[in-house]
Amino acid sequence: DTEVTQTPKHLVMGMTNKKSLKCEQHMGHRAMYWYKQKAKKPPELMFVYSYEKLSINESVPSRFSPECPNSSLLNLHLHALQPEDSALYLCASSQGAGLTPEQFFGPGTRLTVL
Amino acid sequence: GQQLNQSPQSMFIQEGEDVSMNCTSSSIFNTWLWYKQEPGEGPVLLIALYKAGELTSNGRLTAQFGITRKDSFLNISASIPSDVGIYFCAGRSNTGANSKLTFGKGITLSVRP
Repeated sequence: DTEVTQTPKHLVMGMTNKKSLKCEQHMGHRAMYWYKQKAKKPPELMFVYSYEKLSINESVPSRFSPECPNSSLLNLHLHALQPEDSALYLCASSQGAGLTPEQFFGPGTRLTVL
Repeated sequence: GQQLNQSPQSMFIQEGEDVSMNCTSSSIFNTWLWYKQEPGEGPVLLIALYKAGELTSNGRLTAQFGITRKDSFLNISASIPSDVGIYFCAGRSNTGANSKLTFGKGITLSVRP
């Protein structure tokens, strides 16, 4: 299995809602990443988990809360988002942060905040 | 911070033509990656380069790691309509648990049938 899967594919939420994005990989990778991507822009790194511990937080607002329940799963909990948070949220994984650099991306969750 | 420069922002070619894209930086990178992203999808890794001067092919795609370690190029030969997408270069300059990829701004490729 060489895939990174993400659910849901699309999500519409109000500014007072709480929702979660989910990411799963079964490649035995030990590093997982959340990126935010605006239209026609490159992905922007948000968080890195290495061996299930948060190793990088790129000064992301606290309304985004990551969680890594185990080495295969990565969640992003969303609360009190703003319309400008609307974007494609990408999950990626790699063998291990600092090991081979190839990151494999999931298809993304298209988030719209009303 | 580190930046990767990709230009032009958009390229328009005729089906069957070859196209070359490059990615430059003022900083040294020790790994270069090329990704393609189609609408509504995540980026897909095309080629990874690890050594200065390395030339690697993947089907109709060829990429090279510049000998100065400050640039890389991607060449697509005999383009077809499904080559349409955004091509991002990405580089990594260090290793360790806090290593990150730096992405270029991407080049949107259009192929006219």
